Amino acid sequence: LAKTTQPISMDSYEGQEVNITCSHNNIATNDYITWYQQFPSQGPRFIIQGYKTKVTNEVASLFIPADRKSSTLSLPRVSLSDTAVYYCLVGDDGNKLVFGAGTILRVKS
Amino acid sequence: NAGVTQTPKFQVLKTGQSMTLQCAQDMNHEYMSWYRQDPGMGLRLIHYSVGAGITDQGEVPNGYNVSRSTTEDFPLRLLSAAPSQTSVYFCASTSGANVLTFGAGSRLTVL
Repeated sequence: LAKTTQPISMDSYEGQEVNITCSHNNIATNDYITWYQQFPSQGPRFIIQGYKTKVTNEVASLFIPADRKSSTLSLPRVSLSDTAVYYCLVGDDGNKLVFGAGTILRVKS
Repeated sequence: NAGVTQTPKFQVLKTGQSMTLQCAQDMNHEYMSWYRQDPGMGLRLIHYSVGAGITDQGEVPNGYNVSRSTTEDFPLRLLSAAPSQTSVYFCASTSGANVLTFGAGSRLTVL
């Protein structure tokens, strides 16, 4: 299973764009990259998933370079309610995903 | 669609007691899994199942049993509770490639 490395924490202000980068140097050919968001006392929630290049949905964008050894989650114009822990997961088997410690994002007013 | 439902939400046990955390999903997903999350930590995989009648161990399976008699249900049993099992437990079911839907969690305290 590919190991991922993320920053432990990040601070931002309301209205700013936030980019969280995840390193996954030993990603396998069949692996997808998936990001989850977790609020206190709740289970993680799916944000976005990609395999290569760029993926965008109503919540975020995911940028994946050609070598796929890293990925960047981009949150446009964050608000206080985006304060959460963000997890980057890499794998091709949804049953054996390994969660790291994630990135604590704190959005300030 | 209720998604993934976990019961109970809170439970206090004494050391040595046994109990079962219930998990049910109504999305007809084949894959289900159990995670535990300790304070300030990420989630660790306990057990998982790829379908009815099939289960396997994750990272931290010791002290827990699972069974999968139906597609909908995936209970987690604590055989003899220990203080080290104090944690928040999350059940998840998986659709497509790696997209997990989590339950709200069960907070367990072992005294």
